Amino acid sequence: GENVEQHPSTLSVQEGDSAVIKCTYSDSASNYFPWYKQELGKRPQLIIDIRSNVGEKKDQRIAVTLNKTAKHFSLHITETQPEDSAVYFCAASKSNYQLIWGAGTKLIIKP
Amino acid sequence: DVKVTQSSRYLVKRTGEKVFLECVQDMDHENMFWYRQDPGLGLRLIYFSYDVKMKEKGDIPEGYSVSREKKERFSLILESASTNQTSMYLCASSPSRNEQFFGPGTRLTVL
Repeated sequence: GENVEQHPSTLSVQEGDSAVIKCTYSDSASNYFPWYKQELGKRPQLIIDIRSNVGEKKDQRIAVTLNKTAKHFSLHITETQPEDSAVYFCAASKSNYQLIWGAGTKLIIKP
Repeated sequence: DVKVTQSSRYLVKRTGEKVFLECVQDMDHENMFWYRQDPGLGLRLIYFSYDVKMKEKGDIPEGYSVSREKKERFSLILESASTNQTSMYLCASSPSRNEQFFGPGTRLTVL
C-alpha cells in the first residue's frame, strides 16, 4: 500500500534560519500533498498544500516543492520564529477521502 | 469557522469496558475520520466514513467499530477496551478531497 516517509524526526534550527522537512511517497498515483502543523496540546491544522499539476507553492514564509519524478516533496520555512515550533506532518493522497500520513517532524526553534 | 467537537478531552476507563467516543461537525461535510495519535507513529487512520451509514476500515481497525447514523455525528466504539488502546484519539471532517478539520482530541487512558 501507499507509504509516506518523513525526515528528519526532529529538527533544531536557530531563530531566523531556514528549516526544511522532506517527505517521500511510494504511490506514483498520489496527486495531493498537504502539510499540517500541530502545536503542543493543539489540534493539527493545514498550513499549505500542493497538487501534482504544480511544482512549487508559496505562502509568505512557507513554501512546498514537489518532485513527481523522484516522488518527494518538501516544506521550507524561512526566517524561522519561535511560533514555528511545532510538530509538522506531511501527507499524500490519491483518493477523495484518505490521507496517508508521515510520522511527523518536531521542529525546535532555538532563541 | 468549521467546528469539530469531541465528547471528552480526557477519559479514563478500565480494561474490558465498552467505550464510546463521539465527534460532531457543523459544516455538513461528507467525510469524517477517526485517527489515533501515538508518539513517533504520527496519525494512524482507524476508520472513515464518506456518507451516512457508510464506513471503511483504515489502517488499524482491529478492536474498534464506528457508527454514522447522522451526517454530522461519527462515533468510535471500543467494544472491550484494552491497555494498548491508551492513546490520543482525533476526529476529523472534510468536504471531500480537501482540507481535513480536526477536533481537539480525546486522551483515553485504559487501566
